[in-house]
Amino acid sequence: NAGVTQTPKFQVLKTGQSMTLQCAQDMNHEYMSWYRQDPGMGLRLIHYSVGAGITDQGEVPNGYNVSRSTTEDFPLRLLSAAPSQTSVYFCASSYSNRPVRGNYGYTFGSGTRLTVV
Amino acid sequence: KNQVEQSPQSLIILEGKNCTLQCNYTVSPFSNLRWYKQDTGRGPVSLTIMTFSENTKSNGRYTATLDADTKQSSLHITASQLSDSASYICVVSPLNDYKLSFGAGTTVTVRA
Repeated sequence: NAGVTQTPKFQVLKTGQSMTLQCAQDMNHEYMSWYRQDPGMGLRLIHYSVGAGITDQGEVPNGYNVSRSTTEDFPLRLLSAAPSQTSVYFCASSYSNRPVRGNYGYTFGSGTRLTVV
Repeated sequence: KNQVEQSPQSLIILEGKNCTLQCNYTVSPFSNLRWYKQDTGRGPVSLTIMTFSENTKSNGRYTATLDADTKQSSLHITASQLSDSASYICVVSPLNDYKLSFGAGTTVTVRA
């Protein structure tokens, strides 16, 4: 089925460990992004990409790295996990996020619940 | 300060009843306003997208309205069903920026 696939669904890390959250989409979407969702707060943008080879920082980028070597994949790397990174992470993609090209909906993955102890 | 404020934070309604959720925003200028439904443990799913020139948009029993002058939007759920139990998120897209502004959401619980 077409959509956004995130793995893993759950992960527990120890402080200082590193890991990569995977995100893949098969819709040939130009735009991909990573968000974190914390209780009582709206989703916050971590990093985003407007195409292969192009990435940029969002609202809360510290402690995270991304790369976009292909249109389909947009992994999120936690360099040295901290308890403050305990959250639910969502990857989202869209055909385009440029209003001049139209208003396209976002497709979200099902999320990765990360706990850092 | 969050540029998108939603109210109420949560509400409980009986099956078959209607309810209205509110969204106030300060994002300006904006390109479009979206409402998403997020079931527990799942990612958000788009319900409606409205541009600044649209006043209303429906998707089945969900009807969104937009007043760009007062910077307010509402989502009306008609004849609620148990499956409507979810969090509903208001999202505003700035005109010249990729970065969406998300509300914290309203949690709706429908009881039989």
